[in-house]
Amino acid sequence: NAGVTQTPKFQVLKTGQSMTLQCAQDMNHEYMSWYRQDPGMGLRLIHYSVGAGITDQGEVPNGYNVSRSTTEDFPLRLLSAAPSQTSVYFCASSRKGGGLLETQYFGPGTRLLVL
Amino acid sequence: KQEVTQIPAALSVPEGENLVLNCSFTDSAIYNLQWFRQDPGKGLTSLLLIQSSQREQTSGRLNASLDKSSGRSTLYIAASQPGDSATYLCAVRRGGLSGGYNKLIFGAGTRLAVHP
Repeated sequence: NAGVTQTPKFQVLKTGQSMTLQCAQDMNHEYMSWYRQDPGMGLRLIHYSVGAGITDQGEVPNGYNVSRSTTEDFPLRLLSAAPSQTSVYFCASSRKGGGLLETQYFGPGTRLLVL
Repeated sequence: KQEVTQIPAALSVPEGENLVLNCSFTDSAIYNLQWFRQDPGKGLTSLLLIQSSQREQTSGRLNASLDKSSGRSTLYIAASQPGDSATYLCAVRRGGLSGGYNKLIFGAGTRLAVHP
């Protein structure tokens, strides 16, 4: 199993450009989510999905869109990049259900710089 | 609003020491608490998950405890090694239906350096 994969690893954008961060998992997990990590702060939830075709907003959704057409993929779209979106982005997945099934698996991250 | 705090922000210890990392949360109505490890430039790796009904979980040299009533969790690392150097984050899942999405609230982490 590759686990959770993310591409690209690093990206530089100019203000106003758009781009899509890719995330895929091969563990057949129902739940997937996107977080951003900023210096001195914990990870903050951007958007999440509980299954194909179902998405919802997290704590900091503004400026981002998501869709989930398959169980495996959960892309994150930046519509018009702003310097405030400079951050490290992590995708995570987990099984549906309680107990130890809720252990989240994280991708290696995408480092985004918006100039 | 749930807030998670980790103290200290950074810690440097000599190899072999037993150490304790602290995590506190403001709302005791949690479903579970997880400890993660993050290596520089890498993603997070889950270390331990403690259900709200449990008091502690152990994995190898790691032991995590949970005291819901006081809003605290500790991660105990026995006989620390240089390979333990990383950032350790704790995260709480809000209470609620177990079938719902497991939204996590993260602390900012403790950056640990174990020197030979």
